This record gives sequence, C-alpha cells and structure tokens, in this order.
Amino acid sequence: DAGVIQSPRHEVTEMGQEVTLRCKPISGHNSLFWYRQTMMRGLELLIYFNNNVPIDDSGMPEDRFSAKMPNASFSTLKIQPSEPRDSAVYFCASSLELGAEAFFGQGTRLTVV
Amino acid sequence: KNEVEQSPQNLTAQEGEFITINCSYSVGISALHWLQQHPGGGIVSLFMLSSGKKKHGRLIATINIQEKHSSLHITASHPRDSAVYICAVRTGNQFYFGTGTSLTVIP
Repeated sequence: DAGVIQSPRHEVTEMGQEVTLRCKPISGHNSLFWYRQTMMRGLELLIYFNNNVPIDDSGMPEDRFSAKMPNASFSTLKIQPSEPRDSAVYFCASSLELGAEAFFGQGTRLTVV
Repeated sequence: KNEVEQSPQNLTAQEGEFITINCSYSVGISALHWLQQHPGGGIVSLFMLSSGKKKHGRLIATINIQEKHSSLHITASHPRDSAVYICAVRTGNQFYFGTGTSLTVIP
C-alpha cells in the first residue's frame, strides 16, 4: 500500500482564493483525520471522520474551513476564502478504526500571500 | 494551561546515550500516542498506549494511568533518532497534543 496520499504537496495562493486540499486514506481504514501544524500552535486536530461521517469538527477554526468525505477513499479540506494566517502544514492521517494507530500523509504546505 | 505537557522541550545527547522524554496529562484518557516528526516534516506514529509498556526495537513507551504520565525511552541513541517527538492523548472525542520535544543526537 502506498500509505496516506495527500495532494498537493505545496500550495501557494493569494489571500481570498479558495484552497482545496485532498487526501486518500489507506485502503480499508475507517477513520480519517485532518490536522494543522504551525510554529505558534503546534499540531492541532481540525476534524475527523469515522466511516465517512464527521465525528468531531470542534477543531475547525472558522466557517471558512469545511471538510468532506464523500466516500471511503477520498476526503477534502477546503478553505474559502483563504487568509495569510491559514498558512501552515496540513496533515491527513488514517487509521483502521477509531483509537487505532494513525498513519500520516506527507502533508500539504500551504502558503497564503 | 495545556492538557498535555512534555519535557524537556529540547534535548541534545551523544550517540549511544539512553534518552527519556516525558509526557504528563491532566485529562482522563482512552489512549496516548507518541509521534515522531523528522526534520523533513513527515510524521510517524510510534506507539499507541492505554496501559503498561510497549517496545519496538530501541524504543520503549510506558504509561502510568494513575499518575497520568508517560515516558518514551530510546536506548543506544543514534543520530537518525534526531527528530521532534510529540505526545498526544485522546479523551472521548477530543485529542490534545503536547508541544513536542526536539531531540538532537550528536555523533
């Protein structure tokens, strides 16, 4: 298995633009997590899904952020409109089930200018 | 106050030394995770614990539920162990993260 695949690896966008980050979890994994990492705040959990259903989105910072998981093999994290303070590395992770060890993607480095 | 506290924040060791990184938490947990983040940025899950001790190669993780404390030990440290080690706990639907311990192992 190729592991958790995120795209793009790097994204540079202008303030106000819509940004969509993509994640393909490991096949057979039922839980998917979106994290954000910044120097100031460290690693934060934004939202996670179990069996494609959002379980907890209390980490999503604002209404500008939304996440979907239309099927077991794909998830998106969208920021609209983007702001410079959204600049961070966004990680996606998946696990066999909730509570099991999580496997991380390589991350998407987002820069909003 | 942070729900998860790690110590030390930074650690430099000579190759071969035994290393201990500590994690204390203030909430009741269902599981505790140790993550490793290499200088390139990739994150790897090392351990998931809910009790006792786990060992993988030169890495050992222990947890004391009563004391709300976990330790990550590295035996015979090597320069390739240089990374940031992050402690994370899960309580109900919430996840809390430590700020990480930056480890540098010098040859």
